[in-house]
Amino acid sequence: EDKVVQSPLSLVVHEGDTVTLNCSYEVTNFRSLLWYKQEKKAPTFLFMLTSSGIEKKSGRLSSILDKKELFSILNITATQTGDSAVYLCASNGSGNTGKLIFGQGTTLQVKP
Amino acid sequence: DVKVTQSSRYLVKRTGEKVFLECVQDMDHENMFWYRQDPGLGLRLIYFSYDVKMKEKGDIPEGYSVSREKKERFSLILESASTNQTSMYLCASSSSGSLRQQYFGPGTRLTVT
Repeated sequence: EDKVVQSPLSLVVHEGDTVTLNCSYEVTNFRSLLWYKQEKKAPTFLFMLTSSGIEKKSGRLSSILDKKELFSILNITATQTGDSAVYLCASNGSGNTGKLIFGQGTTLQVKP
Repeated sequence: DVKVTQSSRYLVKRTGEKVFLECVQDMDHENMFWYRQDPGLGLRLIYFSYDVKMKEKGDIPEGYSVSREKKERFSLILESASTNQTSMYLCASSSSGSLRQQYFGPGTRLTVT
């Protein structure tokens, strides 16, 4: 059975800290891994990773994929209170239907 | 700007009622999805549709049905709402193909009393 597992499930840090969120996957016919950020509304897309070792970066956020060890990490440097959110990791499902399999999510709280 | 809208942000229904949740996308996407989101469980797929009038069961279809009569609209139906269907419901859409992100609506928080 395909699955995506995130860790930790929750995290509390202070502004300025660097955090690393983890996502491991076991997916038949893997093609992509996606990260989303969800504040109290719709999840918004952050990154899509398809190749090992190539870092994707957007401002203070970056992510990388390891297809050999079947995991991805999302790094946030110099955290701000606005980074407080649920971070969702997902991988493609089987077939070519565009289905995604989501992890449980990591709830990040950044304190001032 | 891409947009997925859902008919209600908050909904309170009684046990046994029939509930309709509607989702509309304006991106001409082929794929549409309904998820429920519960603490500690992440997003779980209820149903998805890859074309008009086409639907497939997701991981937790029991107690739900769907309808897609037009490309832009995907409805989730709770035939007889139960308290264990109290949850956040998220709709999403994507274009066809495997390397596509899904675009999400704002969610409907449904409470069944």
